[in-house]
Amino acid sequence: AQTVTQSQPEMSVQEAETVTLSCTYDTSESNYYLFWYKQPPSRQMILVIRQEAYKQQNATENRFSVNFQKAAKSFSLKISDSQLGDTAMYFCAFMKSHSGNTPLVFGKGTRLSVIA
Amino acid sequence: GAVVSQHPSWVICKSGTSVKIECRSLDFQATTMFWYRQFPKQSLMLMATSNEGSKATYEQGVEKDKFLINHASLTLSTLTVTSAHPEDSSFYICSGQGDLEKLFFGSGTQLSVL
Repeated sequence: AQTVTQSQPEMSVQEAETVTLSCTYDTSESNYYLFWYKQPPSRQMILVIRQEAYKQQNATENRFSVNFQKAAKSFSLKISDSQLGDTAMYFCAFMKSHSGNTPLVFGKGTRLSVIA
Repeated sequence: GAVVSQHPSWVICKSGTSVKIECRSLDFQATTMFWYRQFPKQSLMLMATSNEGSKATYEQGVEKDKFLINHASLTLSTLTVTSAHPEDSSFYICSGQGDLEKLFFGSGTQLSVL
């Protein structure tokens, strides 16, 4: 079974600064996807960024980027130029990749507070 | 992008009653719908997986007779919490799969059982 570990229950960052959220996972699969989701107070799950394991290049989406280390099974999220609207719970998630539909496996989350 | 509409957003019910939560995929066909439960300050935990036209697969520890899932069409899946009790109070979220490897979440339902 796959597991996802987020070792930082809470983090804070000053507005405009950079913060990195950690995530490690365990799997025996060779093909899979990794995600970071944001859950603001509204509790709507918002996809932040996605990484295909077969791609060596780290995914980026504007101010959000990942450091994907496949051998180390590490998938950290870097948020640059932090904004107040980035305050939320962030979940790292894993999904097996095969022809059938498979669910996401979530980490326990990191609560990020951006301070003015 | 694709949208999953989930209703109701919140519901309060008396202990012993049943509550139905609906999830509709508005602009794509969700062959698979996943149902998650989230307790306060915790992560999302998978309850069950439903495929259109077949019986749902429940995760270990989830009572299939209490949490009835119906996925009769490619655009609608429902979760019915039967004989709800206070311990069933939680935030329930559905997610539908459209394109391969893409999941779309509903906005969630907060259930409070008195």
